[in-house]
Amino acid sequence: GAGVSQSPRYKVAKRGQDVALRCDPISGHVSLFWYQQALGQGPEFLTYFQNEAQLDKSGLPSDRFFAERPEGSVSTLKIQRTQQEDSAVYLCASTQTGDTHEQYFGPGTRLTVT
Amino acid sequence: AQSVTQLGSHVSVSEGALVLLRCNYSSSVPPYLFWYVQYPNQGLQLLLKYTSAATLVKGINGFEAEFKKSETSFHLTKPSAHMSDAAEYFCAVSRGGSNYKLTFGKGTLLTVNP
Repeated sequence: GAGVSQSPRYKVAKRGQDVALRCDPISGHVSLFWYQQALGQGPEFLTYFQNEAQLDKSGLPSDRFFAERPEGSVSTLKIQRTQQEDSAVYLCASTQTGDTHEQYFGPGTRLTVT
Repeated sequence: AQSVTQLGSHVSVSEGALVLLRCNYSSSVPPYLFWYVQYPNQGLQLLLKYTSAATLVKGINGFEAEFKKSETSFHLTKPSAHMSDAAEYFCAVSRGGSNYKLTFGKGTLLTVNP
């Protein structure tokens, strides 16, 4: 079946622009995660949804970052007034409920802020 | 709080040689531990996971890892490296429960020499 998809795969933004990154999770997956991966680093947690409820947003680095999942399926990560330090790969992952703990990752969106 | 330390940001082996990638963790609760592999411009793929069952875990592509509580380690091994194993490897820890967010190490780049 189809895996997690993300769009766009690459995004170049000028400093100060707003961007929106989309994640389509695996059909039926209840939980959805966003991670930020800076160059040469491991992914870092940003936020977590269970269905449409955002249960944890402790990893969002500033109030310029906003995520939503209004119908409990597709999610959008929005970054307002982008800064150079926002340049990174943004990864989305989804998982079934229960005890599996296995997160399925999308290919990521590489954001470059110039 | 949880954390993961991967010893060695870069490991180089010859084709056919043993692969050993080191991971140590800290966790205030019994952990769930994972190894992911990332190929260039791709998302993360799960290699194997430890979720409090058998301490020796076998994964895909001939990899395995052993959970050693006394050493707080979860090292990844493969008896014989293939050229196709060249990639970045990430160790991750989760505390389980209702929020399954992953805390990743910084990664180890594995190169395989012919």
